[in-house]
Amino acid sequence: DIVMTQSPSSLAVSAGETVTINCKSSQSLFGSVRQKNYLAWYQQKPGQSPKLLIYLASTRESGVPDRFIGSGSGTDFTLTISSVQAEDLANYYCQQYYDTPLTFGSGTKLEIK
Amino acid sequence: EVQLVESGGGLVQPGRSLKLSCAASGFTFSNYYMAWVRQAPKKGLEWVATISTSGSRTYYPDSVKGRFTISRDNAKSSLYLQMNSLKSEDTATYYCARQGGYGSRYYFDYWGQGVMVTVSS
Repeated sequence: DIVMTQSPSSLAVSAGETVTINCKSSQSLFGSVRQKNYLAWYQQKPGQSPKLLIYLASTRESGVPDRFIGSGSGTDFTLTISSVQAEDLANYYCQQYYDTPLTFGSGTKLEIK
Repeated sequence: EVQLVESGGGLVQPGRSLKLSCAASGFTFSNYYMAWVRQAPKKGLEWVATISTSGSRTYYPDSVKGRFTISRDNAKSSLYLQMNSLKSEDTATYYCARQGGYGSRYYFDYWGQGVMVTVSS
């Protein structure tokens, strides 16, 4: 199974700051056929179901604000949230879909000071 | 608007069975792979099962293989999860989710609101 390791597990920032969340996979998520990385990011606000933010490591889902930026390749990936807003209070998860079983990172809790 | 509405959760004793349902609307259900994902209380997300568009292919992690069965009824735009031999570690909120492409290895682009399953004596 591909193990997804997220860091940090939690962080607290002030509104307007930039946040970086890391996700590392135990094996490469780069597919040679499509030349893409099979990594997604989700946001789960308190009491809500997860929402897709990013897929193919860096493609923003329709309607997602452009302050959410996905980057990385191979085994190391990053979700950057620029100019954090109060509404970004949530848990963030990465997920690999390079292979089954589909696996998620353990999550990063973002708190707003 | 895509909608996924789960039902069928509740309290069940260890070793017993429970069947979850998910009613889909707002998209052509038969064109999409569908899945169940669960989340134990205060924990992270765990993929539970995926089913192909026709229902002929199913996929499970080892943690539920042999105990859980995913199925679908395209005529009713409905997804199901039959859970047998339930264990306390199956206690979780179960989400119905649409996979974002044709295949078992995809992200989840829409999620239901979730249904709680509690396994306890």
